[in-house]
Amino acid sequence: AQSVAQPEDQVNVAEGNPLTVKCTYSVSGNPYLFWYVQYPNRGLQFLLKYITGDNLVKGSYGFEAEFNKSQTSFHLKKPSALVSDSALYFCAVSELDDTGTASKLTFGTGTRLQVTL
Amino acid sequence: GAVVSQHPSWVICKSGTSVKIECRSLDFQATTMFWYRQFPKQSLMLMATSNEGSKATYEQGVEKDKFLINHASLTLSTLTVTSAHPEDSSFYICSATPGQGAPGYTFGSGTRLTVV
Repeated sequence: AQSVAQPEDQVNVAEGNPLTVKCTYSVSGNPYLFWYVQYPNRGLQFLLKYITGDNLVKGSYGFEAEFNKSQTSFHLKKPSALVSDSALYFCAVSELDDTGTASKLTFGTGTRLQVTL
Repeated sequence: GAVVSQHPSWVICKSGTSVKIECRSLDFQATTMFWYRQFPKQSLMLMATSNEGSKATYEQGVEKDKFLINHASLTLSTLTVTSAHPEDSSFYICSATPGQGAPGYTFGSGTRLTVV
C-alpha cells in the first residue's frame, strides 16, 4: 500500500528566507509524486510533480522539489518565501497499476506554511 | 491546461434531504474521477473512485448507499449525498484524470456542504 508522511504540522518562516516542507513516501513500484497547495475553502492547486527524469523538479510560483529515491523523500523548497505563500501544502503519491492506469492519489496530512514579515 | 469544474461551491440543506454535487472535466476526457472528503484542518480522505460506465469503487468505511456516485460520461461525475445529516457536513472535492499513462490529476474547487 502506498503512503505519504508529512512530519511537520506547521512550518514558520520569515519572508525572504528559504523554506522547506518535508515529505517522505512509500510505494511498491515507481512513485509518482505531487505537491499541491490549498487556500481556505478552496480546492487544490497543482504546484509540481515528479514522474521520471531529473530529480529536481521546478514548479509554479517559484517552488521546486527534489526527488531522493534512497531517502524516499520529495521535499518542497523555495529560495525566498513570500507572505502570500502562506497556505496548506499537501504531498501526494500515486503509481501506475498493471493496466497502465493511474492509481488513486494518497495524500499526506498536510503542512501549514506560515510566512511572516 | 486541464480544468475541472465543480459545483455548487457551497450548499446548505435540511436534514433528510439529498444533495447532488457535479464534477465536470471541461477540456479533457476523464476516464477516472475521484471523490474526496476533507474535514476541517485535516487531509483529504478518498471516498471513492469512479470509472466511466462502471460502478464506483468505494473505500472501506464509506457507505455506498449514502454517497451515490454516477460517472455516466467521460466528462461528468456526480456525487449525491442521500438523506443528509449534520455529520455529513464537510468539504467535498473531486479530481479527474485521463487515466492512461503518466498520471495527471486535476482538482475541482470543492463544495462546502452544510446540513442543518
